[in-house]
Amino acid sequence: GAVVSQHPSRVICKSGTSVKIECRSLDFQATTMFWYRQFPKQSLMLMATSNEGSKATYEQGVEKDKFLINHASLALSTLTVTSAHPEDSSFYICSVTRSPGGNQPQHFGDGTRLSIL
Amino acid sequence: EDQVTQSPEALRLQEGESSSLNCSYTVSGLRGLFWYRQDPGKGPEFLFTLYSAGEEKEKERLKATLTKKESFLHITAPKPEDSATYLCAVQSLSSGSARQLTFGSGTQLTVLP
Repeated sequence: GAVVSQHPSRVICKSGTSVKIECRSLDFQATTMFWYRQFPKQSLMLMATSNEGSKATYEQGVEKDKFLINHASLALSTLTVTSAHPEDSSFYICSVTRSPGGNQPQHFGDGTRLSIL
Repeated sequence: EDQVTQSPEALRLQEGESSSLNCSYTVSGLRGLFWYRQDPGKGPEFLFTLYSAGEEKEKERLKATLTKKESFLHITAPKPEDSATYLCAVQSLSSGSARQLTFGSGTQLTVLP
């Protein structure tokens, strides 16, 4: 069965709108979740690492004020794209791992297709 | 900086025509190499983890192997339902406490009936 639940699966909205994406770990408590972005025909690029109870760690070039991450519980992390613009249109995917300090695989959600008009 | 290169970018096979996908990597110490399958509009689905050179893993028609510089995903007698993008990712000793992954750009496999 699914390990990760991600919602919504698709969002279409006007420029300037803020969009919230939820990522839930279904099988185990996840102290760490990861947020990726994938453009067409390209691979996954890590945006940030979400840490339960503390601030997220952002990759170089990712604006933390643009992409707000909240990880208030061991089962839920949210990514809010604030004042979204057409260039933010992309496929956003979250992942969880049983052992962020080890080498266990990451399990991914089904992604959110964000289209900004 | 960790690097992952996958080849070919795209591969078309006839049903039953076996082939291999390549993943070449450069890391400062490999903690793990992961293979995923991604269907259009979906998140990656975990297939295999390989930890050390010489290791092999099998699942149905897929077999993954690992050397110190590359990994191969062998597909034996593929079926149309094997059509997908196959992603390779590495986790290095320098990836920090969160053990982040570096992905390759993937191989888009199409198996024709």
